[in-house]
Amino acid sequence: RKEVEQDPGPFNVPEGATVAFNCTYSNSASQSFFWYRQDCRKEPKLLMSVYSSGNEDGRFTAQLNRASQYISLLIRDSKLSDSATYLCVAFSSGSARQLTFGSGTQLTVLP
Amino acid sequence: GAVVSQHPSWVICKSGTSVKIECRSLDFQATTMFWYRQFPKQSLMLMATSNEGSKATYEQGVEKDKFLINHASLTLSTLTVTSAHPEDSSFYICSARGAGEGTEAFFGQGTRLTVV
Repeated sequence: RKEVEQDPGPFNVPEGATVAFNCTYSNSASQSFFWYRQDCRKEPKLLMSVYSSGNEDGRFTAQLNRASQYISLLIRDSKLSDSATYLCVAFSSGSARQLTFGSGTQLTVLP
Repeated sequence: GAVVSQHPSWVICKSGTSVKIECRSLDFQATTMFWYRQFPKQSLMLMATSNEGSKATYEQGVEKDKFLINHASLTLSTLTVTSAHPEDSSFYICSARGAGEGTEAFFGQGTRLTVV
């Protein structure tokens, strides 16, 4: 089983739609979580950190459920420019200080 | 946000030669650096994790003698692809992270390596 699992998609949604991505992690020692977005042939860029209390940044809302080891990202009023691959990331400290990426969820917002 | 500079951004080399890729954190101390490889239409694959001043930890299946990683300072890590072959052609990306829980990682721009 992968340490961080995401639905690969693709998700094809019309402009203006609300779309949600889910992510589960298996390492209960994971301490920090992030969502990154990656555009085609570019490096991943941080979209937002995920806090236990949930956090919102404009049209984007991230939530964390430690009991279920589950992270989500909600995008409201999706724009064409939101089309990208969204990567769920878990960080665990210790000797490895490891960042573990999910395989990514591909989103295409259609006009 | 923090800046991580990676270069070269692209390189073409002959089979059998070695290529060095540099990753620098420009405005923070990177206690940990990660090296990834990404093939077209595939997800990032972690190759190795390096902590400053210690040997890199390689993922299973990644040859440490082929992919030499050096993280000699808190702002610089290098990946050297030795005796490159066409199957090593890929997009190599580094990321750097400072100390502390909750500190996100920042990515370099990536290096597109083509071995001919």
